[in-house]
Amino acid sequence: AQSVTQLDSQVPVFEEAPVELRCNYSSSVSVYLFWYVQYPNQGLQLLLKYLSGSTLVKSINGFEAEFNKSQTSFHLRKPSVHISDTAEYFCAVSEGYSSASKIIFGSGTRLSIRP
Amino acid sequence: GAVVSQHPSRVICKSGTSVKIECRSLDFQATTMFWYRQFPKQSLMLMATSNEGSKATYEQGVEKDKFLINHASLTLSTLTVTSAHPEDSSFYICSASLGSQGDGYTFGSGTRLTVV
Repeated sequence: AQSVTQLDSQVPVFEEAPVELRCNYSSSVSVYLFWYVQYPNQGLQLLLKYLSGSTLVKSINGFEAEFNKSQTSFHLRKPSVHISDTAEYFCAVSEGYSSASKIIFGSGTRLSIRP
Repeated sequence: GAVVSQHPSRVICKSGTSVKIECRSLDFQATTMFWYRQFPKQSLMLMATSNEGSKATYEQGVEKDKFLINHASLTLSTLTVTSAHPEDSSFYICSASLGSQGDGYTFGSGTRLTVV
């Protein structure tokens, strides 16, 4: 069975500083990896995903993540954060990409931005 | 893109009553939907996989008789919390996927259930 580990429960950073949110996974088969963002009392929004191809994937708001198969990691990075990036970030993994495939979430990392 | 509508967004009920939460796929047909539960400051825990026209598949430790799931049509799945107790208070979120035909998983906006 697949699992996801987010080592950092909270990451405080100053505005305009770089940030990395760590994510490691385990699975016996090929995986599809996701990062979701959740704002207070809201559902989840897809930030970016890795399905195949280029191991570096990017979002429209400056985040990027790199799939590293040898290290079983999918860390999320942003070179310069903004106050609006304050949210909970969840790494997730799925062993399939059909409409019936389950997606399993990590424990989440709360990103707090200080002015 | 795929949109999932979840209703209600908030509900407060008395202990012992039942509450129904609806999850609708607005612009696509969802043969499979997923129900998650999220405690404060915690991750989403998959409760069950809802399958249109058949029984839901529950994750280990989730009480089937407590959390009734019905997926009677390709656009609607419902979660009923029966005989609710304060410990059932939580944030419930549904999800559906277009699989490889879409952008992966789409989530409802969640339902905050408070049992008093």
